[in-house]
Amino acid sequence: GENVEQHPSTLSVQEGDSAVIKCTYSDSASNYFPWYKQELGKGPQLIIDIRSNVGEKKDQRIAVTLNKTAKHFSLHITETQPEDSAVYFCAASQGQAGTALIFGKGTTLSVSS
Amino acid sequence: KAGVTQTPRYLIKTRGQQVTLSCSPISGHRSVSWYQQTPGQGLQFLFEYFSETQRNKGNFPGRFSGRQFSNSRSEMNVSTLELGDSALYLCASSLLGFEQFFGPGTRLTVL
Repeated sequence: GENVEQHPSTLSVQEGDSAVIKCTYSDSASNYFPWYKQELGKGPQLIIDIRSNVGEKKDQRIAVTLNKTAKHFSLHITETQPEDSAVYFCAASQGQAGTALIFGKGTTLSVSS
Repeated sequence: KAGVTQTPRYLIKTRGQQVTLSCSPISGHRSVSWYQQTPGQGLQFLFEYFSETQRNKGNFPGRFSGRQFSNSRSEMNVSTLELGDSALYLCASSLLGFEQFFGPGTRLTVL
């Protein structure tokens, strides 16, 4: 079935450094790729998303890139801060409808000051 | 604008019982999706409802069911609970289906 692989599973950086999380997906029909941040005891929070007709999208310190040919997409966080520490999930839509998301296993990001 | 609300937040049940979880979407959102989150399997899609109709379904047994009401509120039901059903159940609402906003979840423990 459809699958999303996410790497790394854990990432530790110093405050101010950049963090990059990478995902690959298997469903060629996927056309929507959101990223979520989940803090302890809370539900996932949508932080940025990208559609298949766009190669890159940026929102302040966060950017996402998509390579549809290679079926991979990445999250880039610049100037990391301690409050960026959380679990980050990538996801891909199952088919083109976008209503069912297939999630990666998550990356635990730790930012130390 | 109020976010997605889920009730109850915590629930303890025993094997064989059934449980009903409730989700109220963001005002104006007509799509509600349900996900199961466990340490081993991660986040897995259960089903999605749009305008009271199930529009999409994941790969879960028939013990998992749901419904949506005319005010877009949704419920999911799990019958004949098993130990493996212990999880965080998350509800997400969306205007049309793409941008999904999650609630805080219901933590279900099956003893």
